[in-house]
Amino acid sequence: QVALTESGPALVKPTQTLTLTCTFSGFSLTTTGMRVNWIRQPPGRALEWLARIDWDDDEFYSRSLKTRLSISKDTSKNQVVLTMTNMAPVDTGTYFCARLTGDGAFDVWGQGTLVTVSS
Amino acid sequence: QSALTQPRSVSGSPGQSVTISCTGTGSDVGGYEYVSWYQQHPGKAPKLMIYEDTKRPSGVPDRFSGSKSGNTASLTISGLQAEDEADYYCCSYAGAYTYVFGTGTKVTVL
Repeated sequence: QVALTESGPALVKPTQTLTLTCTFSGFSLTTTGMRVNWIRQPPGRALEWLARIDWDDDEFYSRSLKTRLSISKDTSKNQVVLTMTNMAPVDTGTYFCARLTGDGAFDVWGQGTLVTVSS
Repeated sequence: QSALTQPRSVSGSPGQSVTISCTGTGSDVGGYEYVSWYQQHPGKAPKLMIYEDTKRPSGVPDRFSGSKSGNTASLTISGLQAEDEADYYCCSYAGAYTYVFGTGTKVTVL
């Protein structure tokens, strides 16, 4: 059974760097075709795709946020880590990790973790 | 890369059909066969309902169907049920290994 779980700080201060971890089970990021993504959702607003990392170490980022984002993986721990620099109040929201299929769909999602940016 | 455009809300009575539109451009919706749809209940994670424009994952009721014409994709819910009340988001591949979501539509069952 495939599952993903996000973890990280609930509160960060403006200008700080956010580090979130996605711990997954039921698949391996060493398997060809596996991809893990980060997606966020401000309160009451729409989803926004942030970043993706593939089984072959390829990394892809949102064009509007790429200067602030970094994604990495630790296959021994079944984890994907997202860092976002220079956090601001507008970055407040729920951050989800999700698996991407070869059919271009996010088929399994974590429950999300709420991050509030405030001094 | 602008969000895909969806109506803010649609509503229907139990048993009726509702259709949600998702309008993009030739660089996303119209350029690839990679539109997916997600259902999100309050406080929950999104759930995949449709992928590759028209395909339904195992376990999703067949009253959910997807279609596409040009730069506009659509999700139709036939035989609306109370549990279908939720927010719905479309998503499209947007080239260069990026993805764009829609603005979201709230479906209300009257």
